[in-house]
Amino acid sequence: AQKVTQAQTEISVVEKEDVTLDCVYETRDTTYYLFWYKQPPSGELVFLIRRNSFDEQNEISGRYSWNFQKSTSSFNFTITASQVVDSAVYFCALSEAPGNRDDKIIFGKGTRLHILP
Amino acid sequence: GAVVSQHPSWVICKSGTSVKIECRSLDFQATTMFWYRQFPKQSLMLMATSNEGSKATYEQGVEKDKFLINHASLTLSTLTVTSAHPEDSSFYICSAKRTGGRWQFFGPGTRLTVL
Repeated sequence: AQKVTQAQTEISVVEKEDVTLDCVYETRDTTYYLFWYKQPPSGELVFLIRRNSFDEQNEISGRYSWNFQKSTSSFNFTITASQVVDSAVYFCALSEAPGNRDDKIIFGKGTRLHILP
Repeated sequence: GAVVSQHPSWVICKSGTSVKIECRSLDFQATTMFWYRQFPKQSLMLMATSNEGSKATYEQGVEKDKFLINHASLTLSTLTVTSAHPEDSSFYICSAKRTGGRWQFFGPGTRLTVL
């Protein structure tokens, strides 16, 4: 069965610090996709990244970076030089069959990130 | 492209009344739409998968007679919460998948408060 674990329920850091959000997943499939979403106080989900199981390259996008390690079933997200606007809930998610008609996205419980000025 | 809207963005209703929430794909056709529910400080939980022209598939534990889903066109799915009660108060988020596509695009959500 698929499962996504975000062990960090809530994190607070001071602005400009770096912060890493952990994500560990479980799946029996060899083909799957991992996602990160940001949910600011407005509630709307903001898509950040999608990574397929065959691409273990780390990715950097501005202050954001992602570390995908299949050996440890982890897909961690790092924000460098955090800013107050980064305060939000961040969800890691997993999809096993995105091409199928009835695929499902399984979300982790989310990590609430507070960036303190 | 791939914009999904929801209406209303928030709604307050009295206990016992029914509420309809619309999910529209604005610039693409969506054969499949999904409805999620998010209680305060919790994760998104899939309620049901809606396929155009056929009955929705509900997740275990979701009452199909209480949460009526209609996907009558390729751009519109509706979720009706019948006889709403305070415990139905939640944030309801829909997503839509392009016909033949792989990815879900999420709507902005609808906050339902039942008094």
